[in-house]
Amino acid sequence: NAGVTQTPKFQVLKTGQSMTLQCAQDMNHNSMYWYRQDPGMGLRLIYYSASEGTTDKGEVPNGYNVSRLNKREFSLRLESAAPSQTSVYFCASSEISAQPQHFGDGTRLSIL
Amino acid sequence: QKEVEQDPGPLSVPEGAIVSLNCTYSNSAFQYFMWYRQYSRKGPELLMYTYSSGNKEDGRFTAQVDKSSKYISLFIRDSQPSDSATYLCAMSLAWENQAGTALIFGKGTTLSVSS
Repeated sequence: NAGVTQTPKFQVLKTGQSMTLQCAQDMNHNSMYWYRQDPGMGLRLIYYSASEGTTDKGEVPNGYNVSRLNKREFSLRLESAAPSQTSVYFCASSEISAQPQHFGDGTRLSIL
Repeated sequence: QKEVEQDPGPLSVPEGAIVSLNCTYSNSAFQYFMWYRQYSRKGPELLMYTYSSGNKEDGRFTAQVDKSSKYISLFIRDSQPSDSATYLCAMSLAWENQAGTALIFGKGTTLSVSS
């Protein structure tokens, strides 16, 4: 039972490149989330999907787009990467919004 | 004022000590309270969650909620080196199909337990 799986685990990009971070959950959860975690800033919500077919902005959505591909999968896209987007990105899921979330192990992204 | 405040530490204790981790919050409408543990280079994992006020115990861990003071705590008894991690509190308004209601996280407290 994998839970929440994120790919890739590590990535280095150059400024201006684009990239899609993938997330899949096998718990039949309705809600999915993307966070970034930076030293001293805690977890900050980028986007979330309360249910299949819906997406909403979180605290720090600028520079990102998301796609809820189906109930299992929720991807995060950086269209034109900037050094300020260097961070650890976590995907999470929950049965419904506001319930305890289950996290993946993160994608460590460096943008040079 | 941030909705959830948590002392970042770091907190260093010897093995066997009792550890107290705390969060304060400003929104009196929060009803559900959670504690997550995050090991280095891993994602947060859910430790415990409680509803409204009161205590909940699970082995060496006790979660306590004081809604009148807007204050939650996590106590760890007989702390072990394996408890060394960052602990994050989180809270939410309600679980009943609140479409678009996400968790609000504290920034986390880093704990180090030395043997």
